[in-house]
Amino acid sequence: DIQMTQSPSSLSASVGDRVTITCRASQAISNSLAWYQQKPGKVPKLLIYTISILQSGVPSRFSGSGSGTDFTLTISSLQPEDVATYYCQYYNTHPQVFGPGTKVEIK
Amino acid sequence: QIQLVQSGPEVMKPGASVKVSCKASGYVFTTYGISWVRQAPGQGLEWMGWVSTYSDDSNYAQSFQGRITMTADTSTTTAYMELRSLTSDDTAVYYCARRGDLDYWGQGTLVTVSS
Repeated sequence: DIQMTQSPSSLSASVGDRVTITCRASQAISNSLAWYQQKPGKVPKLLIYTISILQSGVPSRFSGSGSGTDFTLTISSLQPEDVATYYCQYYNTHPQVFGPGTKVEIK
Repeated sequence: QIQLVQSGPEVMKPGASVKVSCKASGYVFTTYGISWVRQAPGQGLEWMGWVSTYSDDSNYAQSFQGRITMTADTSTTTAYMELRSLTSDDTAVYYCARRGDLDYWGQGTLVTVSS
């Protein structure tokens, strides 16, 4: 089975900073890679699917990229409302798999 | 609007079974399968499995094989997840979600396993 790792596990950045989260697959995967945002106490929310397609209503400061085994989620200008844990997910085959998450805080 | 509405919280004894429902509305139910994801307190997201809403197909994570059943009732547009032989490690919030890239989620169902 494919395993997903994320780095860093947590980060603290200032408002306005550019933030990058990395997701790595244990083997090359297709483009069925999604990113989710989960704010404390809330339901996860789909941000990006198919590596780089922004879900409707998601602010344009979020973007996704990558291929093969390495993928990134970028927040171009961190906002206070972006405090959350971010998860990547590979969903092309079963079992689907989530990364362990990256917790983003404001410095 | 598209909604997935789950059943309410449950408190179960160790060894018991729990069945969580997920009522879908606002779209054609048989267009997309339903996945189930759980989250233990303070932990990450764990994919449990997927059930087709248009065939008898289902697929479960290895860690749940043998004690989980997912079904879908097209007449009521409701998906179900039954987990058996509960232990305290099964205490978690259980979510249903639509599609492979989980674009719509239920509100979550807290299942507490305690003696």
